[in-house]
Amino acid sequence: QKEVEQNSGPLSVPEGAIASLNCTYSDRGSQSFFWYRQYSGKSPELIMSIYSNGDKEDGRFTAQLNKASQYVSLLIRDSQPSDSATYLCAVNDDMRFGAGTRLTVKP
Amino acid sequence: GAVVSQHPSWVICKSGTSVKIECRSLDFQATTMFWYRQFPKQSLMLMATSNEGSKATYEQGVEKDKFLINHASLTLSTLTVTSAHPEDSSFYICSARAGLGAFFGQGTRLTVV
Repeated sequence: QKEVEQNSGPLSVPEGAIASLNCTYSDRGSQSFFWYRQYSGKSPELIMSIYSNGDKEDGRFTAQLNKASQYVSLLIRDSQPSDSATYLCAVNDDMRFGAGTRLTVKP
Repeated sequence: GAVVSQHPSWVICKSGTSVKIECRSLDFQATTMFWYRQFPKQSLMLMATSNEGSKATYEQGVEKDKFLINHASLTLSTLTVTSAHPEDSSFYICSARAGLGAFFGQGTRLTVV
């Protein structure tokens, strides 16, 4: 089992909808969780980090962490075409990324 | 957030020559930096972990003699692609951890002709 797994997508949502991206991890002792966004042809950028169970909101983005179930989610409210990108989940200090989830927001 | 600067943003070189890519942390010290390669429509692949003052740790399958990494200071790591060939053409990206989370350089698009 891979240490971090994401739903492979691609995920397509209409503009204005909520996009839900999920990530599961295998190490129950994991402490820190990160979401990165990578636009096509660009390098990734850190958009959210979360360390405690529950929700963390930043504008239209909400990260949700459930350590008991070992998953972390990213919700994007009022999705915009500009949110179309690949979203990468990372856990702890592991700098190896999977394929991520490709999100397309259709106007 | 922290700023990581990568240079050059693009480079074209002739087959058989070497190319050096620089990665600088502008407003923080980075004891560890990371180098990635990404082919079109593929995942970001970690090539190596660069540690200041010591040898880099390469991922399995990455040729350490071809991809030379030097991390001589707390703010600068370099990747040299030696004897480049067309199959080395790719998007090379560096990153560094700053506090919690990692920050990425702009990437270098290398084309070997």
